[in-house]
Amino acid sequence: QSALTQPASVSGSPGQSITISCTGTSSDVGGNNYVSWYQQHPGKAPKLMIYDVSNRPSGVSNRFSGSKSGNTASLTISGLQAEDEADYHCSSYTTSSTWVFGGGTKLTVL
Amino acid sequence: EVQLVESGGGLVQPGGSLRLSCAASGFTFSDYWMHWVRQAPGKGLVWVSRIYSDGTDTIYADFVKGRFTISRDNAKNTLYLQMNSLRAEDTAVYYCARDARYRQDCWGQGTLVTVSS
Repeated sequence: QSALTQPASVSGSPGQSITISCTGTSSDVGGNNYVSWYQQHPGKAPKLMIYDVSNRPSGVSNRFSGSKSGNTASLTISGLQAEDEADYHCSSYTTSSTWVFGGGTKLTVL
Repeated sequence: EVQLVESGGGLVQPGGSLRLSCAASGFTFSDYWMHWVRQAPGKGLVWVSRIYSDGTDTIYADFVKGRFTISRDNAKNTLYLQMNSLRAEDTAVYYCARDARYRQDCWGQGTLVTVSS
């Protein structure tokens, strides 16, 4: 199972919006709606931000949103804040009953 | 409060073995599937293995099949990962995570495994 494809880095200024893409195949992202996004600050554990493509867990800011089209999922962060600077990882359940993550995207808030 | 605490990491020689543990608290451990996910230094997350809530079914990433074994003791609220025939490329922080319907909703702080001579 190959890793999902994410951009290595993205950046934006405070207040702006950014979108991170996550491209897979019909065996993972395109094959179900079990796509999740995780935020990870340096030296910390990942934190679930989006699940089932577009749902937010309780306590996660509504500035975070998710979507999917075909084999590509996207995470959008609006109204960028300094504390959003972190690594973001996408994940998908697969048709083999396993899970696959992306390579991670480093978000820099300028 | 849901808490997952990993332990058992350390330095091991290539070809050696290590057993990781993950102590769970704050939720009914026996109700949940559990996962191991790893992260090599400076790299992305990589899924390793999943076990059913009652331990009756397990599944592994291809790169650990036949070398790693996931198990659990619901009476002790503890998840395990037995790692044999370790290689340099297994060097990583290993996280345990709770499954909430095909997503990992809670994570431990991780334990570092270093495979080196």
